Amino acid sequence: QVQLVESGGGVVQPGRSVTLSCAASGFTFSSHAMHWVRQAPGKGLEWVAAVSFDGTNSYYADSVKGRFTISRDSSKNTLFLRMNTLRTDDTAVYYCARGYCSTTSCYWGPLDLWGQGTLVTVSS
Amino acid sequence: DIQMTQSPSTLSASVGDRVTITCRASQSISRWLAWYQQKPGKVPNLLIYDASNLQSGVPSRFSGSGSGTEFTLTISSLQPDDVATYYCQHSNNFGTFGQGTKVEIK
Repeated sequence: QVQLVESGGGVVQPGRSVTLSCAASGFTFSSHAMHWVRQAPGKGLEWVAAVSFDGTNSYYADSVKGRFTISRDSSKNTLFLRMNTLRTDDTAVYYCARGYCSTTSCYWGPLDLWGQGTLVTVSS
Repeated sequence: DIQMTQSPSTLSASVGDRVTITCRASQSISRWLAWYQQKPGKVPNLLIYDASNLQSGVPSRFSGSGSGTEFTLTISSLQPDDVATYYCQHSNNFGTFGQGTKVEIK
């Protein structure tokens, strides 16, 4: 079954850290760029970070740059997001999502497969 | 950074109506534009990529057009199942979603 399953969310205090995981199955994980996208309660979608298919390149939204780190372990078909120095405005559902591959090429986007999301609540 | 602006923010229409949502980019993005549908309480779902290509499994009443800085998503005959928020995204960059358009049934 082609799917992405996130884990690691919960309640965390401001200034603390947490690592999210996203387990991929049913497709060739090592071929696809991968992304994290978040959605604050009642708000729209905000792209957070992306990592290339081989893990050598990563990119971040200005709002998380220097605090969050995206990585992947293709031997375990798993994507990670290490979130440091958390703030209350980081409270959101965090989705992992897959970059699109056609029959011949792979691209950063669009995002054609999404996980169910994991809620991170930053609160004292 | 390229900004994506959708209009309207909310849209109310009757079943069977033709509905159009507009997305404007702050500079040319060629045809690197995707549309997503997010039903209440659900995960976003890719509808359209490369401005006008229908993702597999998406009903044919959905269509996309445009290039450069102006794009549209059209629902040819609105159905109750189409109640959702729709987002555009600059798809060949790091991330830039529009703010969303909420579609309701009148």
